Amino acid sequence: DIQMTQSPSSLSASVGDRVTITCRASQSISNFLNWYQQKPGKAPKLLIYTASSLQSGVPSRFSGSGSGTHFTLTITSLQPEDFATYYCQQSYNTPRTFGQGTKLEIK
Amino acid sequence: QVQLQESGPGLVKPSGTLSLTCVVSGGSLSSSNWWTWVRQTPGKGLEWIGEIYHAGSTNYNPSLKSRVTISIDKSKNQFSLKLSSVTAADTAMYYCADEAEIWGQGTLVTVSS
Repeated sequence: DIQMTQSPSSLSASVGDRVTITCRASQSISNFLNWYQQKPGKAPKLLIYTASSLQSGVPSRFSGSGSGTHFTLTITSLQPEDFATYYCQQSYNTPRTFGQGTKLEIK
Repeated sequence: QVQLQESGPGLVKPSGTLSLTCVVSGGSLSSSNWWTWVRQTPGKGLEWIGEIYHAGSTNYNPSLKSRVTISIDKSKNQFSLKLSSVTAADTAMYYCADEAEIWGQGTLVTVSS
């Protein structure tokens, strides 16, 4: 199985901040990487697919980059509704493993 | 707009079989290549269970493969999950989804006597 490791596990930030979350794969996955946002009691929501493609309807303050084994999710100018948990997932092969999550909290 | 809805018993006895169904509404099973089951526990986060192609082929997580069956019923526009020999470790929120974009709201399954 491909292991996906996110850092940090948790992050405190303020409204208006820029934050970056990192996801590393245990082997190359090309650009087969999705980013999700999950709020309490809700299903994950797709934000970014193929590492850098913004899902329709997702605000442009979200962006993704990377390829191979190193990926980042960046949120510029944090908004109150962005405080949530973020997960990466590789779709390169099966099982389609997830990172352990990064909880973004209000400072 | 395609929507997914999970259904099934919320309580399953240890050693029993967990059975869930995901109904696809607002579209066809053929609208996506793969249909997926994912579960979430506080301790293990998000765990990919497996997927089924709209034509019927499947991929399963090796960690669950001996206990999992995912099937598809095109006549009812739904797909299903069966997980046998369940234990308390299988207590989780279970989600159905397409390949990535569309998710059901999730259904909590508790394994307990």
